Amino acid sequence: NAGVTQTPKFRILKIGQSMTLQCAQDMNHNYMYWYRQDPGMGLKLIYYSVGAGITDKGEVPNGYNVSRSTTEDFPLRLELAAPSQTSVYFCASSYTTGRETQYFGPGTRLLVL
Amino acid sequence: GENVEQHPSTLSVQEGDSAVIKCTYSDSASNYFPWYKQELGKRPQLIIDIRSNVGEKKDQRIAVTLNKTAKHFSLHITETQPEDSAVYFCAASKGNAGNMLTFGGGTRLMVKP
Repeated sequence: NAGVTQTPKFRILKIGQSMTLQCAQDMNHNYMYWYRQDPGMGLKLIYYSVGAGITDKGEVPNGYNVSRSTTEDFPLRLELAAPSQTSVYFCASSYTTGRETQYFGPGTRLLVL
Repeated sequence: GENVEQHPSTLSVQEGDSAVIKCTYSDSASNYFPWYKQELGKRPQLIIDIRSNVGEKKDQRIAVTLNKTAKHFSLHITETQPEDSAVYFCAASKGNAGNMLTFGGGTRLMVKP
């Protein structure tokens, strides 16, 4: 199993540009998550999904969108990049309620200039 | 919503000494408390977790204790080694649909040889 994979590893965006961060898992997990981690800080939940077609906002959803058309994939969309979105983005997944361990991907480092 | 506070933010110990990191949570409905270790430039990885029906759990040099009445839990690392140097995050979850975790701000542990 590859576990949770993310692409790209690193990206530089100009202000106002758009991009999609890709996330995939091959563990047949129902739940998936997107976090951002600013330098020297903890993890903040952006969006999460409890299954294909079902998504919900986390703590810091503004400026982002998600979709979940399959169990495996959970892309994160930035529509109009802003310098405040400079961060490391982690995708994670877990089984279901009662099996809470979250497994993280390697992260995407995003720099908005 | 849930709020998790973590102390200290940095901790420096001599190799072989013990290290203790403490977290408090605000929501008495939280029932799952994992600890993650994040090495520089890497993804967070689960090192130990505890559920609210257990007061203490050990795994070799690592132990976690939970005081539900006081709403705090702690990570104990004995016989620290240089490879224990990393940032440690505590988290809390109510175990409801989505298994959402609220993370503490992190503790940077430095083990001096």
